[in-house]
Order: sequence, then C-alpha cells, then structure tokens
Amino acid sequence: EVQLVESGGGLVQPGGSLRLSCAASGFTFNSYSMNWVRQAPGKGLEWVSYITSTSNTIYYADSVKGRFTISRDNAKNSLYLQMNSLRAEDTALYYCARESQYCSSTSCYSLFDYWGQGTLVTVSS
Amino acid sequence: SYELTQPPSVSVSPGQTVSIPCSGDKLGNEYAYWYQQKPGQSPVLVIYQGTKRPSGIPERFSGSNSGNTATLTISGTQAMDEADYYCQAWDTSTHAVFGGGTKLTVL
Repeated sequence: EVQLVESGGGLVQPGGSLRLSCAASGFTFNSYSMNWVRQAPGKGLEWVSYITSTSNTIYYADSVKGRFTISRDNAKNSLYLQMNSLRAEDTALYYCARESQYCSSTSCYSLFDYWGQGTLVTVSS
Repeated sequence: SYELTQPPSVSVSPGQTVSIPCSGDKLGNEYAYWYQQKPGQSPVLVIYQGTKRPSGIPERFSGSNSGNTATLTISGTQAMDEADYYCQAWDTSTHAVFGGGTKLTVL
C-alpha cells in the first residue's frame, strides 16, 4: 500500500524557517517525481514545488522561489521542503504528492495519484 | 501566469446532473485533470486526460472539453458527491496549476 506521511509542520514566527519531511512507503520511491502542494485554511490547492526522481530537474512556484528548497533522499525514501523567510501567507496545510507518468507510443501524461494527509504550517507572531 | 477559472460554488438536487466548468487559455491544447476533496481529506483524482476515470471512480463522473473550457459532469448526483472539486493542468512554465475550486452542494 502506497503511503506518504508528512511531518515537520508547526508554529513559526515571520522570517523563520521550517523543514518539512515526507516519508514514502509501498512503492519504489526512486522511480517517481514528487511534488509539494499547499492549501491555505479555507482556500484552494496551490502547487508549490516539483522534483524529478534523480533530483536533476526542480521547479518552484513564483510565490516561493528563492525562499523554499525542495530535495529528496532516495536512500531514505524521503522528500523534503526547506522553507526560509516564512511569511504569514505561507500558512497552509502542506501535502506531498506523488506524480506518476504514463507514456504511449505518441505521447506522455502525468498525474498526481497519491497524496499524504498533510502537515500544517502556521506563520504567526 | 497561467490561470484556471472555476465558479466558486454550484448546487444540485440528489439524482440530478451537474456540470462544473474550468476555463483556461491553454485548455484547448492541454488536458484537464479533476480532483475531489471532501472536508478533512486529501484530494482524490476523479478524471485524468480530460475524459478518463481512474479505477474505482463511479461511472457517474465524466469529463469533457470544448475549446478553452473543460467540464466535469456528475450524473445522478449522490449526497456522497458533496465536496470541493479542483481542475488542474500542466504548464511548461510553472509545471502544475490548479483552479480555484468549486464547492458542490447537494441540496
């Protein structure tokens, strides 16, 4: 059974830092790209960051670029999000999501097929 | 930046059909993906590549696309379908983008 378990959330002051972790199990972690997606209280989903299976390609949303760093340790089946210079607007439930890619002879497509339960980050003084 | 636009809310009576639109400039060339999120739960994929249902998703869920608008349709809506629904697309500049979400109320 595929499981994604986030941890590391909590209350932090504006300008502070936090490191989120996502422990993966039930699948071959080093074969999948991974993402972080967040959801502010009562708001919609916002994609945050993406990392390929080998960490050779990384993307960030403009809202976190320069402040957040995504990484992974395939030996530990873990995904991370280092969050620095945190702002009140970063307050959200942070999900890790597995991205699966499927290819035919003519094209490929991706989708988010498994999500964790999320870890809550609250930025407040 | 690329945006996907959804109505904030829609309502439907049990047993009726409801459609949730999602508009975006690139949807004419890109597939839409739809996620269902019930209160306190993580999102669940209900439609991928515009029209396809993952295994385990009831046949009453369907997807379509016309021009720059993708649509999620639920036929014979049940009370258990009450949830927030998000469309999502892939974008070469930002990787992934979500619509603002639509709250479906089954009256």
